[in-house]
Amino acid sequence: QSALTQPPSASGSPGQSVTISCTGTSSDIGGHNYVSWYQQHPGKAPKLMIYEVSKRPSGVPNRFSGSKSGNTASLTVSGLQAEDEADYYCNSYAGSDIFVFGTGTKVTVL
Amino acid sequence: EVQVVESGGGLVQPGGSLRLSCGVSGFTLSHYYMHWVRQAPGKGLVWVSQIKTDESTTYYADSVKGRFTISRDNAKDTLYLQMNNLRVEDTALYYCVRGWNGAFDGWGQGTTVTVSS
Repeated sequence: QSALTQPPSASGSPGQSVTISCTGTSSDIGGHNYVSWYQQHPGKAPKLMIYEVSKRPSGVPNRFSGSKSGNTASLTVSGLQAEDEADYYCNSYAGSDIFVFGTGTKVTVL
Repeated sequence: EVQVVESGGGLVQPGGSLRLSCGVSGFTLSHYYMHWVRQAPGKGLVWVSQIKTDESTTYYADSVKGRFTISRDNAKDTLYLQMNNLRVEDTALYYCVRGWNGAFDGWGQGTTVTVSS
C-alpha cells in the first residue's frame, strides 16, 4: 500500500494550463479505472474534482480534466484561475477493496 | 445537501483508545459505502478504512489493521471508528467520507486525534 507518486509542486500563470501526474503500478492505476482527484484549500476538507479517471461531478468546472495512460494518471487544469491555487491529491482503487492516495501536489498560480 | 459531521476526537496517551463517530444527513446512510480518511498535520491524505452497506464487510489499511474497527448503525445514520492501541503516528485529522463510484464525494470537516504522552 505505497502512496502514489505526485510531483510536490506545479505552477502556472493565470489563463495557462497545468498538468499534474500521478504514478502508480499495475495493481492500482494500471489495473483499474477508479482514479479520482481531490482539491484541498488550506484548512478545508478535500473536494472531489474527477472520478473514474475522467468524469466530472456536477458543479466542477470543465477546466478540470483527467486522463490515464498505463500506470500514470493526470489532472489538467486549463485556464488557471486564482482560486485553483490549492493542494491536489489523486486516489486509486488498488484491488481487494483497498484504496491509495497520492503524495499530493501544491499548485501555485503565479 | 449531503452533510457529514465527525466527533469524538481528542488527546489520548499512546496505547489508549478512542471512538470516533460520524453523523450524516441529506442522504440515506444504508445506501452508501463509507470510509475514514486521515491527514497528519502538514501531510497528505491517507485512506484508513471502508465499510460496505451491509454493516459487516470491512477493510483496513495495513497500518491500522488489528487496531481499528469500523462499524455503522444504519438505523441511527451513524458511522464509527473504534481506535485501540493508539500510536503517536496515528495523530491526524480524521475525515468521515461517503463512497461513490469508486471515489469519495462527501467529506466532513474532520475530528482531530492527538496521541501523545
